[in-house]
Amino acid sequence: GQQVMQIPQYQHVQEGEDFTTYCNSSTTLSNIQWYKQRPGGHPVFLIQLVKSGEVKKQKRLTFQFGEAKKNSSLHITATQTTDVGTYFCAKRGQNFVFGPGTRLSVLP
Amino acid sequence: NAGVTQTPKFQVLKTGQSMTLQCAQDMNHNSMYWYRQDPGMGLRLIYYSASEGTTDKGEVPNGYNVSRLNKREFSLRLESAAPSQTSVYFCASSGLSGANVLTFGAGSRLTVL
Repeated sequence: GQQVMQIPQYQHVQEGEDFTTYCNSSTTLSNIQWYKQRPGGHPVFLIQLVKSGEVKKQKRLTFQFGEAKKNSSLHITATQTTDVGTYFCAKRGQNFVFGPGTRLSVLP
Repeated sequence: NAGVTQTPKFQVLKTGQSMTLQCAQDMNHNSMYWYRQDPGMGLRLIYYSASEGTTDKGEVPNGYNVSRLNKREFSLRLESAAPSQTSVYFCASSGLSGANVLTFGAGSRLTVL
C-alpha cells in the first residue's frame, strides 16, 4: 500500500486563491521530492527537500519539509490557471515511492 | 536530447494478447523504472532496474515481465493481457546520487478489452 499519503485528494480554487497540499509519512524520510503532472501529461520534477525544516521557494511555490522529516507541504500563492494539474510527493530510497497526488483545478 | 522515449503511445489489446512496451533513455542514467497510473491511485511501481543487468519487482509486478536490454533500454512485457491492466504506463529513469530525480517518458495508454 501507499507509504506516503497526501491530502487533499482534490482541490478546487478560484484563480487568485492560495492552495496547499500536504504529504505525510508514518516513518522518517531521508528526503522528499515533488512532481507536477499537467492534465494528459507526464510527471515533471519540481524540487527535492532533504534537511529538517527546509523551506524552498520557486516563484509562487513554497515547499517545506517538516522538522521531524515526516511531512512536507507545497503551497501555491495566488493560483493561476497554469497551476492546474496533479501534484505528487515522492520519497527516494532504493526506488521512488509516490503519494496518491492532489489534483488541483483552478477556476478562472 | 530526447530524454525518455516510450512506444507506443496508444495501444488497444484484446484479453489474452501479448505486447511489449519499449522505453529508451539517452541521458546515460543507470536506473530505469516502469510505473502504472490509474485514477485515484497515483503512480505505482511495477518493476525497476537499478543498473544494467539487474531488475527488481516493485509494488505491482504480477502479470508483467521486464528486460533491461542494455543501459539505454528497458522494456515491459504483458504476456497475457487482462482488463485490469488497462492503464497509463510511464517509463522513467534516474541518475546516481546528487540530482537523483526521475525523468519520465510521455506515457503509453493501454486499453485491454
